[in-house]
Amino acid sequence: EVQLVQSGAEVKEPGESLKISCKTSGYSFTNYWIGWVRQMPGKGLEWMGIFYPGDSDTRYSPSFQGQVTMSADNSISTAYLQWSSLKASDTAIYYCARRRIEVAGKRYLYYGMDVWGRGTLVTVSS
Amino acid sequence: DVVVTQSPLSLSVAPGESASISCRSSQSLLHSDGHNYLDWYLQKPGQSPQVLMYLASSRASGVPDRFSGSGSGTDFTLKISRVEAEDVGVYYCMQALQTPNTFGGGTKIEIK
Repeated sequence: EVQLVQSGAEVKEPGESLKISCKTSGYSFTNYWIGWVRQMPGKGLEWMGIFYPGDSDTRYSPSFQGQVTMSADNSISTAYLQWSSLKASDTAIYYCARRRIEVAGKRYLYYGMDVWGRGTLVTVSS
Repeated sequence: DVVVTQSPLSLSVAPGESASISCRSSQSLLHSDGHNYLDWYLQKPGQSPQVLMYLASSRASGVPDRFSGSGSGTDFTLKISRVEAEDVGVYYCMQALQTPNTFGGGTKIEIK
């Protein structure tokens, strides 16, 4: 069974750094993109970017470029999202999700973001 | 960025009735491979989002056939026939053709 287990809720002060995790299991970690999605309190979903553990290829949304860093530790099949200096406006739930694309010969078969973590609530407050 | 616009913002539907949600993109989502890169997700209350449809009209694994997706280019529709109580939540479309991928604002479905 494919699973994405996210780290627990965090409460931080403005200016602090943070790294949250998304531990995966049940599939070949390096062969699938991991996406990150933000949901601010009472708001909709925002696509932050995607990370490919196989070669560390990263595509950030311009809205989040320079604000966060996506990375992974392939030895433990875990993806990370980190901030160097949090702001109050970073308060949100952050979801990781697997972006499923299967290769069939010369074709790429897309299946959407098919498995999601439960989310990590990040609260930034002084 | 591709702008994705959903309508309506909310729907109140009686059990057994049908519901339709519209999603429009500012650019065509038709890829050269012939597929439209448009997904539908449902976020039930207190839960993570889950994929319902991908490539506009392909139902994700385990999704009941009461859900159907249609459309091409810039105009897409998610239809739920015979709405059930378990269908409540917020529905999002998302374009997956270009990065950054972008979500619509969401449509909240409630049961009458």
